[in-house]
Amino acid sequence: QQQVKQSPQSLIVQKGGISIINCAYENTAFDYFPWYQQFPGKGPALLIAIRPDVSEKKEGRFTISFNKSAKQFSLHIMDSQPGDSATYFCAAGNNDMRFGAGTRLTVKP
Amino acid sequence: NAGVTQTPKFQVLKTGQSMTLQCAQDMNHEYMSWYRQDPGMGLRLIHYSVGAGITDQGEVPNGYNVSRSTTEDFPLRLLSAAPSQTSVYFCASSRTGGVTGELFFGEGSRLTVL
Repeated sequence: QQQVKQSPQSLIVQKGGISIINCAYENTAFDYFPWYQQFPGKGPALLIAIRPDVSEKKEGRFTISFNKSAKQFSLHIMDSQPGDSATYFCAAGNNDMRFGAGTRLTVKP
Repeated sequence: NAGVTQTPKFQVLKTGQSMTLQCAQDMNHEYMSWYRQDPGMGLRLIHYSVGAGITDQGEVPNGYNVSRSTTEDFPLRLLSAAPSQTSVYFCASSRTGGVTGELFFGEGSRLTVL
């Protein structure tokens, strides 16, 4: 039983559009919520992360929105670019991170 | 800067064989972990360690052993490989653990069990 549920499985967006990926978690003890980006043949790399004491964090074109009461958080990619095409994983946890199943994003030129 | 180094990158085993996936980091990180990545399942935590001499189980520990005798190394052992262990394995490290630090991943080890 996955503790972090991620949707959609795949996403196709036009260049310049907004990509939105959603995650839900179950364990209210989780207190760190990162997003990782993975390119084919590589390990995941941290993109952006948030703690539950804030509702939103923005870094460049990437924004995390966090809803503690609903136990949900999402990644928004503004002005999506073909170079953003990758698999994105949300995660949640304390010492041991639990990952979502991943979203394969394709940005069409 | 080597970061997290995993060896081997590719391995084919027969059912019942044993092997060790090696993981080494040169960042003096206290926290290290092993994940397996399967299509549609994301990354699942196998074992983790918060420091030398300390290990703990993750979500899917069965069939795997780990030890942490040094800060730098965190090998993953398969004692009797099964086809269900066919996967891509990632080692990751963090300065203080997932709660405060970024996980740095290796490039993965692709294991096929026939």
